[in-house]
Order: sequence, then structure tokens, then C-alpha cells
Amino acid sequence: DTEVTQTPKHLVMGMTNKKSLKCEQHMGHRAMYWYKQKAKKPPELMFVYSYEKLSINESVPSRFSPECPNSSLLNLHLHALQPEDSALYLCASSQDLSSGSEQYFGPGTRLTVT
Amino acid sequence: QQPVQSPQAVILREGEDAVINCSSSKALYSVHWYRQKHGEAPVFLMILLKGGEQKGHDKISASFNEKKQQSSLYLTASQLSYSGTYFCGERGSTLGRLYFGRGTQLTVWP
Repeated sequence: DTEVTQTPKHLVMGMTNKKSLKCEQHMGHRAMYWYKQKAKKPPELMFVYSYEKLSINESVPSRFSPECPNSSLLNLHLHALQPEDSALYLCASSQDLSSGSEQYFGPGTRLTVT
Repeated sequence: QQPVQSPQAVILREGEDAVINCSSSKALYSVHWYRQKHGEAPVFLMILLKGGEQKGHDKISASFNEKKQQSSLYLTASQLSYSGTYFCGERGSTLGRLYFGRGTQLTVWP
């Protein structure tokens, strides 16, 4: 099973709302990632977790707050977002952080900030 | 910082071949290839590692020239299902950091 699941599929939120995106994998992977993807652009790395510890934060604004409660789950907490944050948010996982470790992506959450 | 892909777009007839190129300005540890169909998640195709090791799908072939920091993806006898946007991702020395190129949009017509 190479499935990464994400919920919700779609989310519309106002600029004052607080919401969370969820990601889950059951492949025993120890690395998990959040990416942001705008239309017709490549995925942009936001955060990387390795063994449940934050390994990389690509200078993401603090209105995005990641959390890794256990090795199978990854959350992204959203607060006071801006309309320009509207995008597809992709979660991915890999065996570990090594160069030869392929990433498996979830279907994404399409976020619209109004 | 991101790798440069070429061409930006390719249109093929079923059965034709295509090559997608990916070029980096820095030393690479590996190159990753993904395909993304419209409205779907990127799907892993292949990894090419420094030293010559490769892993990925049997029907896909690719090359990695470490000295030139270039990789190419070879799509032979294309099928309609090959349509999508192909991204190469470069892995440098920082563990976990994968930078994607801008993508190559491939369209296969019957």
C-alpha cells in the first residue's frame, strides 16, 4: 500500500478562521512533508519532519503551523491566512530523508481563502 | 535554485517518443522524476542516484550525468496515459530538501 490520505479535499476559509489540514500514511515512513502548489507551478517545499521532529522549515510564515503527533500523522494548522495562500496543499511521505528515498504524495487539499 | 527543465511543452501522437531534460547549476546527490495529471497528486516515476543506481518503473528509462548535473527522461512508444506534467526534482546535500523544476507538459493524442 503506497497511499497517503489527506483531509479535507476542499476547504474554504475566511481570513480570521482557524482550520487544520490532516495527512496520514501507514507505510511505516519516517519522513513527512508539506508542499504548497499554485496552479501551473511546481510543488514548493514548506516543512519536513523526520522521526516526528521538524527538520526543515522553508521560512514559512507563522500563520502556518505544522505538527507531527506520531509517525503516521501530520497536521498543518492554519490561522489568519491571506487570499494569496489559496493553493493546493500536498502532503508526502518517504522512508527517510536519504537521497534515494522516493516521496509518495497525497491527493492534496485545495484551499481557498476568502 | 530550482533545476531547469526543457522543453516546456511537448505534443505527441500515440506511439511517438519524447525526451525531457533537467539541468542543475549545483552538485546533485540524486534526481527524482514525477508525473502529475491535472487535478491529481504527483506520482513517483524514477530516482537516479549518484554512482549510477536507479529505481523506478520498468517502463520508464532515464539517465543521469553527474559531471554535467543533467538528467533526461525517455518516454518511448508513448501512450495516451503518459499525458501530464513531468517534474524533475533535484536533491543536493541537504537531507529532505527536494527542489522541483517548472515542469514539462506532455500531451499525447490518439
